[in-house]
Amino acid sequence: AQSVAQPEDQVNVAEGNPLTVKCTYSVSGNPYLFWYVQYPNRGLQFLLKYITGDNLVKGSYGFEAEFNKSQTSFHLKKPSALVSDSALYFCAVRVPRNTGGFKTIFGAGTRLFVKA
Amino acid sequence: ETGVTQSPTHLIKTRGQQVTLRCSSQSGHNTVSWYQQALGQGPQFIFQYYREEENGRGNFPPRFSGLQFPNYSSELNVNALELDDSALYLCASSLEGLAPGNEQFFGPGTRLTVL
Repeated sequence: AQSVAQPEDQVNVAEGNPLTVKCTYSVSGNPYLFWYVQYPNRGLQFLLKYITGDNLVKGSYGFEAEFNKSQTSFHLKKPSALVSDSALYFCAVRVPRNTGGFKTIFGAGTRLFVKA
Repeated sequence: ETGVTQSPTHLIKTRGQQVTLRCSSQSGHNTVSWYQQALGQGPQFIFQYYREEENGRGNFPPRFSGLQFPNYSSELNVNALELDDSALYLCASSLEGLAPGNEQFFGPGTRLTVL
């Protein structure tokens, strides 16, 4: 079955330190991978995506993610965390449906706490 | 360019009732997807509409139905509400066709509480 796993429910990091939010996936074929962020009482906001090409993808607000095909991972990273980065982060993969079209499968989410 | 909007923001219903949630897609987007996000979980795909036709459905029963209008806005209808239907319902629009790589733009969601 096609799936996305975020092994950490919560990540705690001090402001100014680097952060990593982990994501692994299981899909058949080439993956289309996404990261979204959700602030309290808000919808999801797109951060970055990997479709093809360079394995290191740069996105909004200084975030980046590294696609690793052999490890089937797409970890989200930021060199220096800000308190305002505290939010819920979702990894997602877009997969083709048997009946045509595509659907997006989301991970369960990882809550990031950045302490001042 | 306007973003994705959803209405209402909050809604309280009782078991057995029916509810309609509405979504206006971002200007120029032809595809709308609906998701159910239960507390503490990731969004679960309900269905997707592309050019007024359903072209994908997740593991939700038929009492979850939808529509997409010529202006690409959309409705989600849920009949015979159950307590477990209590969740945040998210609408997302995108510009799609055969290309899966476009990101989705999400609305703020409708918080549905079923008592």
